[in-house]
Amino acid sequence: QMQLVQSGAEVKKPGSSVKVSCKASGGTINTYAINWVRQAPGQGLEWMGDIVPMFNIPNYGPKFQGRVTITADESTGTSYMEVTGLTSEDTAVYYCARERRIKDPVFDLWGQGTLVTVSS
Amino acid sequence: VLTQSPGTLSLSPGERASLSCRASQSVNSNHLAWYQQKPGQAPRLLIHDASSRATGIPDRFSGSGSGTDFTLTISRLEPEDFAVYFCQQYERPPWTFGQGTKVEIK
Repeated sequence: QMQLVQSGAEVKKPGSSVKVSCKASGGTINTYAINWVRQAPGQGLEWMGDIVPMFNIPNYGPKFQGRVTITADESTGTSYMEVTGLTSEDTAVYYCARERRIKDPVFDLWGQGTLVTVSS
Repeated sequence: VLTQSPGTLSLSPGERASLSCRASQSVNSNHLAWYQQKPGQAPRLLIHDASSRATGIPDRFSGSGSGTDFTLTISRLEPEDFAVYFCQQYERPPWTFGQGTKVEIK
């Protein structure tokens, strides 16, 4: 049974960057689209963008274009999501999630989440 | 924009729950999904394509609706169903979620 395993919690200073990883265990992500979704404390879900490791072409939500970079490493079956210019509003749990099928953005498998805290 | 109502639903185990998700634009092709989220956990897919249950989801969960109005129904609440529920549209990017409905024990 495939699982998505994310990197651990991070505490960052305002203005810095954070990079979160998402690695497949028990399967490969290379033929799926991996999406990134974040959730601020007590808030709803916000889609950030996606990538298909096999094609390595990311897509971003308008709010995140230019400040977020999503990449994938086929050889290790890992996706990465980097946010630059962090502010307190970026404090959130960041999730990676797999699409059921490419071009079918229903998320049937999620990582455990990575808490990123931005604080001076 | 997806608007979910009510914000909180207070019910007892065994009761029926009806959760609403209204879209500001028509969701053609019924590209709407529902997720359940429990505290400290990632969301879990329940329903896709407005009315199709995901693998392993009990049949007490059902989805209905079309166009701009969608409903998630839980026929008889079990103790493990008390959670927050989100709808998501995947008709047009960026994919968006509703703000959630919390189903709490009365």
